[in-house]
Amino acid sequence: AQTVTQSQPEMSVQEAETVTLSCTYDTSESDYYLFWYKQPPSRQMILVIRQEAYKQQNATENRFSVNFQKAAKSFSLKISDSQLGDAAMYFCAYRSAESEMDSNYQLIWGAGTKLIIKP
Amino acid sequence: DARVTQTPRHKVTEMGQEVTMRCQPILGHNTVFWYRQTMMQGLELLAYFRNRAPLDDSGMPKDRFSAEMPDATLATLKIQPSEPRDSAVYFCASGLYLRHTNEKLFFGSGTQLSVL
Repeated sequence: AQTVTQSQPEMSVQEAETVTLSCTYDTSESDYYLFWYKQPPSRQMILVIRQEAYKQQNATENRFSVNFQKAAKSFSLKISDSQLGDAAMYFCAYRSAESEMDSNYQLIWGAGTKLIIKP
Repeated sequence: DARVTQTPRHKVTEMGQEVTMRCQPILGHNTVFWYRQTMMQGLELLAYFRNRAPLDDSGMPKDRFSAEMPDATLATLKIQPSEPRDSAVYFCASGLYLRHTNEKLFFGSGTQLSVL
């Protein structure tokens, strides 16, 4: 079974600085998707960035980028120029892409990292 | 912007009472998920539907929980009878899933349930 591990329960960063959140996963599959979701105090889960495992190029979305290391099964999120609005819980998630079985559309979630932005 | 709508946003009830949570998925989405989030367990998948048919509800306590999609615009999650350990935030999410595509999942704002 696949697992997702976020080893940092909490991280803090000074406003305008760069922070990296760690995520590792375990899978025997070669085709899958990886995601980072943000959950601010408003509770709503918001997709930050996603990566297809078959793509070697790291995904980027404005100030958010990932470092995807497939061999190491690592998927870290880098937030550049941190802003107060980035304060939230960040969840890493995995979804299989290999099987035709509908059940593989489920997401496997990490435990989350709480990001604190210091003004 | 299209959004997933969940009601109620907050619910406080007494142990033994029935609780019904509702979700309106985004029009055109073919997949609906119900998740439960607690500090201890994180995000747990309770059930999910594809084209209104239940595909997996193995994460749901069958004796007291039930999930249905009476039509494409409404998904419900019921707890009867409710217990204090059911206190959590319950999320609904919807997406348009097609094979071999990486479609985005949209979440509602959740229902925060407190069972006293």
